[in-house]
Amino acid sequence: EDQVTQSPEALRLQEGESSSLNCSYTVSGLRGLFWYRQDPGKGPEFLFTLYSAGEEKEKERLKATLTKKESFLHITAPKPEDSATYLCAVRNNNNDMRFGAGTRLTVKP
Amino acid sequence: GAGVSQSPRYKVAKRGQDVALRCDPISGHVSLFWYQQALGQGPEFLTYFQNEAQLDKSGLPSDRFFAERPEGSVSTLKIQRTQQEDSAVYLCASSLTGATDTQYFGPGTRLTVL
Repeated sequence: EDQVTQSPEALRLQEGESSSLNCSYTVSGLRGLFWYRQDPGKGPEFLFTLYSAGEEKEKERLKATLTKKESFLHITAPKPEDSATYLCAVRNNNNDMRFGAGTRLTVKP
Repeated sequence: GAGVSQSPRYKVAKRGQDVALRCDPISGHVSLFWYQQALGQGPEFLTYFQNEAQLDKSGLPSDRFFAERPEGSVSTLKIQRTQQEDSAVYLCASSLTGATDTQYFGPGTRLTVL
């Protein structure tokens, strides 16, 4: 069965303190690894899709990378508005999506 | 443009009542997905439509859950005889083409069963 494990569960950073969130996965035939951001009381907001090991994508202070076993979401010089829960999901060769439980990020000013 | 919308945003039901949750996908999006999100967890897949056809309902937890999309646009998720364990946020997502496309989520409906 496909599995997605995100760590840490929660992360508190000072503004400007860079860090990384981890998403470890096992999947039967990866058809995409997805990162979403979810604010309290809202639906997940799409950030990135990665398809193959070695691929990287960037958006503002966020950079996502992918290996055969895990993905990292690097946050450079975060700001308080980056505070949210970050969800990772994988799609398998049956096009089924499985989400991790998320990492709850808090950035203090 | 307008994103995915869901209504109501909040629903409180007494145990045993039936509820209906509505999803309006992004205009022109062919595929529609329903997910259930428990507190502190990631979304879990319930069912998938391509146009009006329900292609996958493997995630529906029991026969009390029923979804439809009769005209290939708006979808309704119905839960009969609600139980306390049905309390969760129900998310709807849509994608432009099939299940291989990026999914865009609505704000969700928070269902509380008393």
